[in-house]
Formats: sequence, structure tokens, C-alpha cells
Amino acid sequence: KAGVTQTPRYLIKTRGQQVTLSCSPISGHRSVSWYQQTPGQGLQFLFEYFSETQRNKGNFPGRFSGRQFSNSRSEMNVSTLELGDSALYLCASSLGDGISSQHFGDGTRLSIL
Amino acid sequence: AQTVTQSQPEMSVQEAETVTLSCTYDTSESDYYLFWYKQPPSRQMILVIRQEAYKQQNATENRFSVNFQKAAKSFSLKISDSQLGDAAMYFCAYSQYTGNQFYFGTGTSLTVIP
Repeated sequence: KAGVTQTPRYLIKTRGQQVTLSCSPISGHRSVSWYQQTPGQGLQFLFEYFSETQRNKGNFPGRFSGRQFSNSRSEMNVSTLELGDSALYLCASSLGDGISSQHFGDGTRLSIL
Repeated sequence: AQTVTQSQPEMSVQEAETVTLSCTYDTSESDYYLFWYKQPPSRQMILVIRQEAYKQQNATENRFSVNFQKAAKSFSLKISDSQLGDAAMYFCAYSQYTGNQFYFGTGTSLTVIP
């Protein structure tokens, strides 16, 4: 069974631009969660999508948004990029039943110049 | 709000020895899940072990075991017979019983000395 796939693995952007990251969950998984990992703040929860609906949301500004498609693939968008958005963005998928564990992808390393 | 604390930023262990990583958490819930994840330099988060709060028995996965003290809100990870491949950042995580929102600790960097 293929794991969680995140694309791209690396991305370089400049301040003010916007970016879209993609996450393909494990087949059969309906829940996709996004996390931001930085050296200073550690791993922080961004949001979770389940069956194309945002089910949980962390404390991030509205510049961070996401969506989920009918095939459970998810995208995360960050608009008006700031230097502080430089981070490793991790996506995790699960069955979404509140019991199953989350499985993580390799992440997208976003660097803002 | 739920918080997870890992008080050991770095730990080291001799190969084949045993090491224990500490984790404490704060919650007002009675049912929840606790996890240990491993993140090697390849950066993929790998599930090491998980514990359901309603289970009194400590979870075990081969060389990995936990000491879950619910009253003390403590969840430590013991790695026995440490191997070079165990070197990684270890994160303790909490999840509510009915949600997929994880709260992570700040991590413990484990070095295994040959």
C-alpha cells in the first residue's frame, strides 16, 4: 500500500507570493491533517479535512487555507507569504474514525526569501 | 487547552543499552490517545507506539514500551537494546478520543553511541 505522498518536496518562494502544497493520502483514508514544523514552535496543527469538509482548525491566520477533493487528496494554500512561514509542512492521513492512527508524509520544505 | 511537555531536548545512549524518554501532558479529558513518533533525518514521522488512555496495560512494540501513569499524566518511552537506527527526534503526541487533532511535544533528540 502506498504511503502518504506530498508534493513538492522542496519549494522556494519570495515574500508576498502564494503557494499551494499537495497531499495524497493512503488509499481508503478519508481524513487529512496538516501541520507546520519549525525549530522554534515545533509541530503545530493547521487543520483537518474529512470528506471534503474542514473538521478541525488550529490557530493560524486566514492566509492559511485548505481544501479536500472527492478522492481525499488535499491541498493547502498559503497566501501573502511571510518570512516566518518558512517551515516543514507535514500532512497526515487516517481513516478519520477517531481511533485509527495518523500516517505522515515526508513533508514539503518551504523556504521564503 | 491540551499541552504536551518533553523536558529532555537531547538524550544519548550506548548501543545495546536502555534509554527512557519522558513526556508529560495536561488535559481535562478522561479518554484520549497518546503516541510516540520518531522522526529520523529523512524527516518522515514514523509511529513508534500508541496508548489508549482507557487501557491500564502499558503498550509494547518489540523493543519499545511505555510507562503510562494516567493520574500523574506521564507517558514515558523506554527503548531497550538500543540500535544505531534508533537515532532520531522523538515526539510525544496527544489526541482527543474523538478527534484527529494532535498536540505534539517539542521533541527529544536521541543519539545512539556505537
